[in-house]
Amino acid sequence: GQNIDQPTEMTATEGAIVQINCTYQTSGFNGLFWYQQHAGEAPTFLSYNVLDGLEEKGRFSSFLSRSKGYSYLLLKELQMKDSASYLCAVRPAGGSTLGRLYFGRGTQLTVWP
Amino acid sequence: DGGITQSPKYLFRKEGQNVTLSCEQNLNHDAMYWYRQDPGQGLRLIYYSQIVNDFQKGDIAEGYSVSREKKESFPLTVTSAQKNPTAFYLCASMGDNSPLHFGNGTRLTVT
Repeated sequence: GQNIDQPTEMTATEGAIVQINCTYQTSGFNGLFWYQQHAGEAPTFLSYNVLDGLEEKGRFSSFLSRSKGYSYLLLKELQMKDSASYLCAVRPAGGSTLGRLYFGRGTQLTVWP
Repeated sequence: DGGITQSPKYLFRKEGQNVTLSCEQNLNHDAMYWYRQDPGQGLRLIYYSQIVNDFQKGDIAEGYSVSREKKESFPLTVTSAQKNPTAFYLCASMGDNSPLHFGNGTRLTVT
């Protein structure tokens, strides 16, 4: 089966840096996605990693190590509006690139003033 | 603007009734998906379709049905056979070289 693990909850202070980890065990690997979801809203796309290394996009960065089955999302200069659930999703290898993604349960991040 | 439209945003039904949730996209994406989300839970895949007139069951397809007669549309019917239909339903689409895009969701309450 496919297994995606993330911490359930994290808290941090405004202005700080937080790292949200995701480990996966899937039947092959063909890309990892991070999404942000505010309460009651739809998830929005944050980042995509398919090769090892760090992808930086403004205050958010995402890292991937395929050999370790590991990714993290790094959020810098935290703001109150970053309080949300962060979802890790993996696309297994094989089949179409339009096949299903497997999602973790999400990490609920609370940013305190 | 391109996007995914789900309607309605809130839906109320009596137990025993079938209900159909609408999902339309104008992103020209080939693949479309239906997820269910319960409070404090992750996204669970109900059905997905990679091409018109074809679809596959996800992890929790029992009590649900779909159709994909047009590329733009992927309606989901929640039947009376679904034991716990009250949930937040998210439709999504994906094309080549694009990530998964989500609609704004439909919150279904069955009493």
